[in-house]
Amino acid sequence: EAGVTQFPSHSVIEKGQTVTLRCDPISGHDNLYWYRRVMGKEIKFLLHFVKESKQDESGMPNNRFLAERTGGTYSTLKVQPAELEDSGVYFCASSQDGRTQYFGPGTRLTVL
Amino acid sequence: AQSVTQPDIHITVSEGASLELRCNYSYGATPYLFWYVQSPGQGLQLLLKYFSGDTLVQGIKGFEAEFKRSQSSFNLRKPSVHWSDAAEYFCAVAISGGYNKLIFGAGTRLAVHP
Repeated sequence: EAGVTQFPSHSVIEKGQTVTLRCDPISGHDNLYWYRRVMGKEIKFLLHFVKESKQDESGMPNNRFLAERTGGTYSTLKVQPAELEDSGVYFCASSQDGRTQYFGPGTRLTVL
Repeated sequence: AQSVTQPDIHITVSEGASLELRCNYSYGATPYLFWYVQSPGQGLQLLLKYFSGDTLVQGIKGFEAEFKRSQSSFNLRKPSVHWSDAAEYFCAVAISGGYNKLIFGAGTRLAVHP
């Protein structure tokens, strides 16, 4: 069974540009989560989907971040426009039971 | 607010030595408890978890953790460390019955000397 996959693995963009990160959860997992780790800080929760619905988006830092989950399958996280402080590693996780979360390899975002 | 503390940022041990990584949490009830590991260039891998029942849980790669309610702790242990255990280890909690978002500690980076 394939694990959680994320694309791209790395992204380097200029400040003000737009970047879209993608996450494909484990097949059959209705729960999908996004987390972020900025340099030197803890891994922080961003939001949680149940199927295509946003269950909890309390961790989204501001309205420059937009997450979608089309058809309850893969999810995208768009940052527009990107700022320097958005640099970090973005992790996606999925869960079947809403308790145990399985993580992807992460996307390292660098904003110059 | 709930929080997780991993007091040790870096730990260095010799190969074959025992290991204990500390984790304390702040929460009124018993949360769900997890340990994840991130090896260089890899994602977060689940080592073990505790929901209820036996307070000593076994995980993958020879790791175990013990939940101590009185100390609000969930320390990770391994009797004999291998060079391949060098990685960053994260303790995390989730509020049972809630939306189950994870709250992570700052991580402990483990170095293993030959």
